[in-house]
Amino acid sequence: QQPVQSPQAVILREGEDAVINCSSSKALYSVHWYRQKHGEAPVFLMILLKGGEQKGHDKISASFNEKKQQSSLYLTASQLSYSGTYFCGTEQGFGNEKLTFGTGTRLTIIP
Amino acid sequence: NAGVTQTPKFRVLKTGQSMTLLCAQDMNHEYMYWYRQDPGMGLRLIHYSVGEGTTAKGEVPDGYNVSRLKKQNFLLGLESAAPSQTSVYFCASSYSLAGNYNEQFFGPGTRLTVL
Repeated sequence: QQPVQSPQAVILREGEDAVINCSSSKALYSVHWYRQKHGEAPVFLMILLKGGEQKGHDKISASFNEKKQQSSLYLTASQLSYSGTYFCGTEQGFGNEKLTFGTGTRLTIIP
Repeated sequence: NAGVTQTPKFRVLKTGQSMTLLCAQDMNHEYMYWYRQDPGMGLRLIHYSVGEGTTAKGEVPDGYNVSRLKKQNFLLGLESAAPSQTSVYFCASSYSLAGNYNEQFFGPGTRLTVL
């Protein structure tokens, strides 16, 4: 079953902050975050592992709440280059061998 | 390194025709995946492989077949194309799925239209 992402879409002005959420109905071992720009392939941002620490990537960070089976992606002081669709991918159990992706959150940054 | 490459980039088929999409990676990755991406649906896994000679079904395998005869190549076949298979197809590969080494690298995609 696909994880649920919220919001589905968000429009921000440059410099504003955003939070994208990813929730699963099943216990998770890890959560991946990817960004896809229009017409391009998804690009890896970060992995959060069960029992691991909050990760950061430039001004993009994420957290993973294992008990609530959810992850959140935080974009701070957004830049125009952050525009795109963000996907979470969930791995249910170590060695599960595959990810299940959410339906995505479209982020638009305007000047 | 070329990373993950896909051929062709675009293709138009008529209903009932067959075709094969080729994915190649030069990173010596064990795992390879085929996804389809449709508007509002995200990325859905069709088939995947955890090593040369192995394949397994993903979420939406019906109407597709795959083969992994060489470690660097993963082929996706459509035996009898249907309009419902109109989509953008992405191939991806990863070193493994253990811990921090399971970042997936995606190819540029193949846009397939079935008339």
